Amino acid sequence: GQQLNQSPQSMFIQEGEDVSMNCTSSSIFNTWLWYKQEPGEGPVLLIALYKAGELTSNGRLTAQFGITRKDSFLNISASIPSDVGIYFCAGTGNQFYFGTGTSLTVIP
Amino acid sequence: DTGVSQNPRHKITKRGQNVTFRCDPISEHNRLYWYRQTLGQGPEFLTYFQNEAQLEKSRLLSDRFSAERPKGSFSTLEIQRTEQGDSAMYLCASLKSDPDTQYFGPGTRLTVL
Repeated sequence: GQQLNQSPQSMFIQEGEDVSMNCTSSSIFNTWLWYKQEPGEGPVLLIALYKAGELTSNGRLTAQFGITRKDSFLNISASIPSDVGIYFCAGTGNQFYFGTGTSLTVIP
Repeated sequence: DTGVSQNPRHKITKRGQNVTFRCDPISEHNRLYWYRQTLGQGPEFLTYFQNEAQLEKSRLLSDRFSAERPKGSFSTLEIQRTEQGDSAMYLCASLKSDPDTQYFGPGTRLTVL
């Protein structure tokens, strides 16, 4: 099945730094969703975006739905150790398509 | 807790055995999805239900795989004659419509020896 291009694949950052990751697709999507997954668990929804150009925040997380409807980014400000995990983007058209994930490691 | 639940959380089986997993979606969600996830990859779509009707199946879903949602509530995913390549995390998600937002269960980790 189709998977979205998500980058970077992995990040190693110091506690307190800001993080940015993005997803791109060749297809237009109606919705962009961002999830966080920890080992042995299912993905947990962080932010949902429903309109092109929409910018939404959830605490230290901010995500935007690209104007072209083919991309989205997620920013995490002032990272903390519990931000560690794999972050997935998902876009929806007729189905849900997922990115390959960004693995985030936060060094205390 | 009114989230999506899955049972069992872990299953270890021998090659050739049949296994069945259960998913209980969020009660007011009428769409239910099954995904498979392998290490280092995002979830891959397997199939989905609208109420009790199975509306779409991925080409990934071989004839050894079958899914049901008999009363439009919980769903089961059965894998017959398991193979080592079936080892993966099997995720269930239910969907809130308009706008469409998916919520995942904790997954069932299958290991085929």
